[in-house]
Amino acid sequence: GQQVMQIPQYQHVQEGEDFTTYCNSSTTLSNIQWYKQRPGGHPVFLIQLVKSGEVKKQKRLTFQFGEAKKNSSLHITATQTTDVGTYFCAGRENSGGSNYKLTFGKGTLLTVNP
Amino acid sequence: NAGVMQNPRHLVRRRGQEARLRCSPMKGHSHVYWYRQLPEEGLKFMVYLQKENIIDESGMPKERFSAEFPKEGPSILRIQQVVRGDSAAYFCASSPNPTTGAFFGQGTRLTVV
Repeated sequence: GQQVMQIPQYQHVQEGEDFTTYCNSSTTLSNIQWYKQRPGGHPVFLIQLVKSGEVKKQKRLTFQFGEAKKNSSLHITATQTTDVGTYFCAGRENSGGSNYKLTFGKGTLLTVNP
Repeated sequence: NAGVMQNPRHLVRRRGQEARLRCSPMKGHSHVYWYRQLPEEGLKFMVYLQKENIIDESGMPKERFSAEFPKEGPSILRIQQVVRGDSAAYFCASSPNPTTGAFFGQGTRLTVV
């Protein structure tokens, strides 16, 4: 079945440093979504990427979808303590059928030292 | 517009008991997904339902687990004869259609003692 791998598993940065997490799928995706989960909280939807090579920005966050639609990245510029949490990517397989299942990566836990 | 509501937030069950987890989707959302999360793990898909129909239950164990989303009322995830390995956070998410992002509830933390 489809597998979604995320690296790194953990990342600790000093406030103000940049952060990037990478997501790779074993199969071609129809779209990819990113979520943030604060410690003890629930996943919160950040964004969805659909097109090959798509790049979207949300303030200090930049999301990219690879040309082959098998990988994605999330980059945070100048991290702040409010960025702390686990960032998950979730891919929807391009099966052409009615497969709407989202497969989540294991996430990258970001901690920020003030 | 209330978000996805899950209850209870915390549930303690003894081995062999039944656990019932409830999820009320956001208003206007007819697509519901259940996920399970173990500590420091990602979210594992269990089941996807649309009103009165199970669309995909490929992630749900065939025994002891069942899910429903009736015409009226919340979606229910039911675990019969719970075992210690069922202890986890169970999240419900909803969306207005199956191709968009999903909105998650705050989860039910199930502890089996």
